[in-house]
Amino acid sequence: QVQLQESGPGLVKPSETLSLTCTVSGYSISSGYYWGWIRQPPGKGLEWIGSIYHSGNTYYNPSLRSRVTLSVDTSKNQFSLKLSSVTAADTAVYYCASQVGTTVLNWFDPWGQGTLVTVSS
Amino acid sequence: QPVLTQPPSASASLGASVTLTCTLSSGYNNYKVDWYQQRPGKGPRFVMRVGTGGIVGSKGDGIPDRFSVLGSGLNRYLTIKNIQEEDESDFHCGTDHGGGSNFVKVFGGGTKLTVL
Repeated sequence: QVQLQESGPGLVKPSETLSLTCTVSGYSISSGYYWGWIRQPPGKGLEWIGSIYHSGNTYYNPSLRSRVTLSVDTSKNQFSLKLSSVTAADTAVYYCASQVGTTVLNWFDPWGQGTLVTVSS
Repeated sequence: QPVLTQPPSASASLGASVTLTCTLSSGYNNYKVDWYQQRPGKGPRFVMRVGTGGIVGSKGDGIPDRFSVLGSGLNRYLTIKNIQEEDESDFHCGTDHGGGSNFVKVFGGGTKLTVL
């Protein structure tokens, strides 16, 4: 059974880079699947950030593309998110999730428990 | 790109039924929608995908038979029968649009279901 766990700083200063890692257990990332990041500002709906295939092929939300970088580390069975030049608007719970299969069109299942990142000086 | 509209809230009594609606913006009649359930303080979990022909693929792990979906026109419905206290959750719908560098996944604003 695939399980995901987000990790990273809970507080980031404005204009700095937010960095999060998702550790996958129960499945080897190098075997396939797309892996996604989704965020949820407090009291608001979900926003897709981007998805990455185990080979490194990426899809980014056009509204965030200029600031987002996704990467995969198959040796650690992890994938990561970097979001640059953050502002208070980037304060949110960040989730990582799996997309079973070989297409980015698949749904997210399962999800991690999420980690709250606050942007504040 | 499509916009997904969900009523912000819904309520139903214990043991009753409720239907949640996710409405696609005009012109996106053939789009499939994914439903997710998010219990308080938890991450979302996949419920099922729905198109105009009904469910697409399988339900998510642990989703009871009380949950069903239907698609008609621009609307994608999630019906929950015999509502239990554990069903009190936020429900989100999402869909895909475009391809290549224009690909995007979009979500609705979510519906908060209260069990009375």
